[in-house]
Amino acid sequence: KAGVTQTPRYLIKTRGQQVTLSCSPISGHRSVSWYQQTPGQGLQFLFEYFSETQRNKGNFPGRFSGRQFSNSRSEMNVSTLELGDSALYLCASSRNRDNTGELFFGEGSRLTVL
Amino acid sequence: SQQGEEDPQALSIQEGENATMNCSYKTSINNLQWYRQNSGRGLVHLILIRSNEREKHSGRLRVTLDTSKKSSSLLITASRAADTASYFCATDPSSGSARQLTFGSGTQLTVLP
Repeated sequence: KAGVTQTPRYLIKTRGQQVTLSCSPISGHRSVSWYQQTPGQGLQFLFEYFSETQRNKGNFPGRFSGRQFSNSRSEMNVSTLELGDSALYLCASSRNRDNTGELFFGEGSRLTVL
Repeated sequence: SQQGEEDPQALSIQEGENATMNCSYKTSINNLQWYRQNSGRGLVHLILIRSNEREKHSGRLRVTLDTSKKSSSLLITASRAADTASYFCATDPSSGSARQLTFGSGTQLTVLP
């Protein structure tokens, strides 16, 4: 069974631009979560989707948005990029509808903002 | 902000020794999980312990949970150089159905050959 796939793996943008990151969950998983990882703030929750609905959102500005498609694939978008948005963005999928069971993470998308 | 604090922040041991990492958290939980991350890679799930469990084993891993102290520990026995990685605890809240893990700050483990 294929794991969680994130694309692109690496990207470089300049301040003010926007970026879209993609995540394909494990087949059959309907919950997809996104996390931001930085050296200073560590791993922080961005948002979680289940069956195309955003169920939870972390404490991030409105520049960070996401969506989930009917096939459970998810995208996140960051508009008007700032230097501080440089981070590893991790997507995770889960089989369970509720908050039990482990998350399966992708390898991440490393964003560098210049 | 992160819920958990992990202790120590960094740990360096010789191959064959045991490694113990501790995690503290702040709110009620449904379960606590430990993840491993090799440098710059994704997280790999190691073990999950539910709030009504006190100890759990998986291979060379042993996890304990003390909900009265809001703390957990991860023991890796007979460590190997391949165990070198960052280890994170993560808590799943006791309320609500949405998935939102809160991660600790992590322990960087270095196992010297």
